[in-house]
Amino acid sequence: QVQLVESGGGVVQPGRSLRLSCPASGFTFSSYGMHWVRQAPGKGLEWVAVVYYDGSKKFYADSVKGRFTISRDNSKNTLYLQMNSLRAEDTAVYYCAREQLGHLDYWGQGTLVTVSS
Amino acid sequence: EIVLTQSPATLSLSPGERATLSCRASQSISSYLVWYQQKPGQAPRLLIYDASNRATGIPARFSGSGSGTDFTLTISSLEPEDFAVYYCQHRSNWPWTFGQGTKVEIK
Repeated sequence: QVQLVESGGGVVQPGRSLRLSCPASGFTFSSYGMHWVRQAPGKGLEWVAVVYYDGSKKFYADSVKGRFTISRDNSKNTLYLQMNSLRAEDTAVYYCAREQLGHLDYWGQGTLVTVSS
Repeated sequence: EIVLTQSPATLSLSPGERATLSCRASQSISSYLVWYQQKPGQAPRLLIYDASNRATGIPARFSGSGSGTDFTLTISSLEPEDFAVYYCQHRSNWPWTFGQGTKVEIK
């Protein structure tokens, strides 16, 4: 069965960095685009970033462009999100999700990132 | 970026009633519209893709329609487990965006 398990969340001060990981299992990881989606406490879903199946292309939401970097290691079946220059408004649960032809068919359970001094 | 506007923000209905949720795009997105369901403390769940295709395992009481800028998610007869928040999402171009959500609550 498909499993996505996010890790790396926690409390971090504004301006600092954090790296999230999402190891995947139960499917051929290198065949799928992968996304990060976040949800601030009590708020709606916000798409963050995508990386194509082979890592050749990456796209970002304007709110994180230049600060966040999505990447993947297909040899380790793992998705990453490097988050730099963190702000209070980046506080959210971060989900990794698998893309199937334009929709997100499997999601992890999320990891909470809190940006606070 | 394409803005998706969902209405109403909250829908108060009783079990067995019909729910009609709307999602409007700021520009045409063809049929590139997806619907998700989210319950408290859980990750979103895929319901409908490409405007009208039910995802695997989704009951037939869920249906989607629309194209261009106006889309609808219909739940024909609400079951207790259907009370949740519903989000639409487009895949027309980058960046993808989500609507702000419609909460379906028990009346």
